Amino acid sequence: ETGVTQTPRHLVMGMTNKKSLKCEQHLGHNAMYWYKQSAKKPLELMFVYSLEERVENNSVPSRFSPECPNSSHLFLHLHTLQPEDSALYLCASSQIAGEGAGELFFGEGSRLTVL
Amino acid sequence: AQSVSQHNHHVILSEAASLELGCNYSYGGTVNLFWYVQYPGQHLQLLLKYFSGDPLVKGIKGFEAEFIKSKFSFNLRKPSVQWSDTAEYFCAVNAGNMLTFGGGTRLMVKP
Repeated sequence: ETGVTQTPRHLVMGMTNKKSLKCEQHLGHNAMYWYKQSAKKPLELMFVYSLEERVENNSVPSRFSPECPNSSHLFLHLHTLQPEDSALYLCASSQIAGEGAGELFFGEGSRLTVL
Repeated sequence: AQSVSQHNHHVILSEAASLELGCNYSYGGTVNLFWYVQYPGQHLQLLLKYFSGDPLVKGIKGFEAEFIKSKFSFNLRKPSVQWSDTAEYFCAVNAGNMLTFGGGTRLMVKP
């Protein structure tokens, strides 16, 4: 139990499907992140929400659409994905100031396969 | 933009061997430094961190890392590895609330 919960753990979708990944943190943090982890590549930061406002998107394709309705929840909406988008998507949370600022707590990830 | 380099992509050691994994970063300002570990099938978890003070930091499971500011390095060490240390290790640098990861090092420890 990490304090950051991601669902679903595994997702298989076709290129024309629309699905969403969900992340919930129970740590009282005020920043949340989406990372992409694929084979042979460093962890890629996709989106950062700080105090529920998006502060970074790192030029991610528009077929990925994040949503942060409150400080505890983060979604990643997926539509018309490509097979190369298959990867492990990791959610993380952190405090943005004070003791422990900058330390990320990760969820277990959602393994996405695009057919 | 900051970047983090981990020079060893794959390391294979026998149990009881000593370990040192290299990490270098490029950023001229104040940084916070981390090592994360990902055991097979598990989530990323913090191994140790440096924010300020003593540049030699100790983490969980006997790991330690030394911050050498002049070399922009934060190498991870363990004097005697165990089979259970088999995992992927990620160095990360936080500057301005952006955490940048290195490419990771896969460590395999042979029993």
